[in-house]
Amino acid sequence: AQSVTQLGSHVSVSEGALVLLRCNYSSSVPPYLFWYVQYPNQGLQLLLKYTSAATLVKGINGFEAEFKKSETSFHLTKPSAHMSDAAEYFCAVTNSGNTGKLIFGQGTTLQVKP
Amino acid sequence: DAGVTQSPTHLIKTRGQQVTLRCSPISGHKSVSWYQQVLGQGPQFIFQYYEKEERGRGNFPDRFSARQFPNYSSELNVNALLLGDSALYLCASSGGLAGGYEQYFGPGTRLTVT
Repeated sequence: AQSVTQLGSHVSVSEGALVLLRCNYSSSVPPYLFWYVQYPNQGLQLLLKYTSAATLVKGINGFEAEFKKSETSFHLTKPSAHMSDAAEYFCAVTNSGNTGKLIFGQGTTLQVKP
Repeated sequence: DAGVTQSPTHLIKTRGQQVTLRCSPISGHKSVSWYQQVLGQGPQFIFQYYEKEERGRGNFPDRFSARQFPNYSSELNVNALLLGDSALYLCASSGGLAGGYEQYFGPGTRLTVT
């Protein structure tokens, strides 16, 4: 079975500060990991994905995440927050056999203060 | 190119009624997955269809059913609606099953059951 835990349902940062959103996963098989962003009243947009290649993954809008197998983590970071980054962020896990079934975390709301 | 489209955008139904939600995948995508997102939670996997066959089912009651048509569009049906079925229903399409295929999400259908 696979699961995802996102630590912190709400994270607040100042504009220009570091963004760190935490994600820990559980998987009995090698995982594929994803970060999605959801703006109000919209669907989900893929930020980045890990599919067993490089452990440091760069995504859109300046976000990146590092896969750490020993810590079963896939934390999302961005060096400098922008007001437009305010949204809901979801970490998700699946496996290479079928990427059509994503298991999502509960989500983290990112607030960016001016 | 058009992304994943869903219809209707919003829907209000009464308890006990039935509802049909529709999804058109990105052109060329043969896999369609459905997710339910209750307010304040992460999306929960409901179904996946690939090449018109069911390839996965989440932990949802038999009141939920789906199908995929020859043009790869899909319908999600929910019978005997309950108040707890109120949610955003998301459809996602991908180009294949295994490997690094990522899912692209539509904007969702907001279902309110009164």
